[in-house]
Amino acid sequence: EAAVTQSPRSKVAVTGGKVTLSCHQTNNHDYMYWYRQDTGHGLRLIHYSYVADSTEKGDIPDGYKASRPSQENFSLILELASLSQTAVYFCASSGHSQNTLYFGAGTRLSVL
Amino acid sequence: QQKVQQSPESLIVPEGGMASLNCTSSDRNVDYFWWYRQHSGKSPKMLMSIFSNGEKEEGRFTVHLNKASLHTSLHIRDSQPSDSALYLCAASDTNAYKVIFGKGTHLHVLP
Repeated sequence: EAAVTQSPRSKVAVTGGKVTLSCHQTNNHDYMYWYRQDTGHGLRLIHYSYVADSTEKGDIPDGYKASRPSQENFSLILELASLSQTAVYFCASSGHSQNTLYFGAGTRLSVL
Repeated sequence: QQKVQQSPESLIVPEGGMASLNCTSSDRNVDYFWWYRQHSGKSPKMLMSIFSNGEKEEGRFTVHLNKASLHTSLHIRDSQPSDSALYLCAASDTNAYKVIFGKGTHLHVLP
């Protein structure tokens, strides 16, 4: 089964601080995604990438930056964390636009 | 606005019963649909995909797709308590790499 590893698994951040969430996949997949999930709700797309050194904005990119330095790694950066960014963040990868998304275990972020 | 809409938001069925979940896209460019299942505290896992008009069955799970109306449905027969989860519908088009999810349906199967 495809492997997607997220770190950290949980984080507490202060308002106004910088937060970096990391994602690493060993599946040789071209596509990587960052989603956020608020309690009990669906997934909203923040940023995605289909090739190294290039990222695309999703539906809710404001307040977030993304970085894809290599095929395996995809980071999500919150330059100035805010209370409204408290959520669970999921990274996912897929090998093709028609293929299954494989999700990491998620990062629970609390901004205080 | 949400381009993938799911209904109902919540569904309660008795053990052994049939659960029917619905999903519609408002984006005419959508070509592909998936259904994911997410148990509490876990990450989503793909349950079924459907890309062509018609029906697809895998065990107790059946999905239907009507491309003209951009509507897909998931039916679970002989529902089990272990089926209790959040069911997420996802969609994408052939020319983009964006995969968009709906808000999900919470399914509760009562023993």
